Amino acid sequence: DTGVSQDPRHKITKRGQNVTFRCDPISEHNRLYWYRQTLGQGPEFLTYFQNEAQLEKSRLLSDRFSAERPKGSFSTLEIQRTEQGDSAMYLCASSFGGETQYFGPGTRLLVL
Amino acid sequence: GQQLNQSPQSMFIQEGEDVSMNCTSSSIFNTWLWYKQDPGEGPVLLIALYKAGELTSNGRLTAQFGITRKDSFLNISASIPSDVGIYFCAGQWTGNQFYFGTGTSLTVIP
Repeated sequence: DTGVSQDPRHKITKRGQNVTFRCDPISEHNRLYWYRQTLGQGPEFLTYFQNEAQLEKSRLLSDRFSAERPKGSFSTLEIQRTEQGDSAMYLCASSFGGETQYFGPGTRLLVL
Repeated sequence: GQQLNQSPQSMFIQEGEDVSMNCTSSSIFNTWLWYKQDPGEGPVLLIALYKAGELTSNGRLTAQFGITRKDSFLNISASIPSDVGIYFCAGQWTGNQFYFGTGTSLTVIP
């Protein structure tokens, strides 16, 4: 396993469209995290899963955002009715036991 | 969400110089991590610290977990051009989310 992978790497969409991102964690990692990063800022926590259970959600995660990890392996993050303010880098990270997190390359979203 | 204070915000140094940056928080953390991020890429883990006072090295990088558990610093010795990037600290209280710093942008002049 070469690390956390994310797909797509880049996404351009029009305002109001729905988008979905996928994250494949390191295979033996039971925890998976989603972060959002805007220009000039550090990553901001959105949500995390332990196995298939979503255990914590940030208040940043509005009701237009939903994340799933149905089999405790890969995860998807969906944004409905995208807004220009959703433009950001969406980062996924995984860990075993919640300590050291390893990040994927990110999905850069641009909402026009 | 909470963000940690990193300083300096940016640094311009000559190749071969040593670099020092730090991160402070109003909250106590049990884990500190340091990451490096290149443009358009995800953060890459450099060093992980798990105990107050811990001093850990990774090649030319050395990081310390402050004894108050509210700060951490990262040193880079004998900088080289590929050290260019943005360095982030991240702190964790329990086994859940990490809080990230605002980043230190490093430029190394050959």
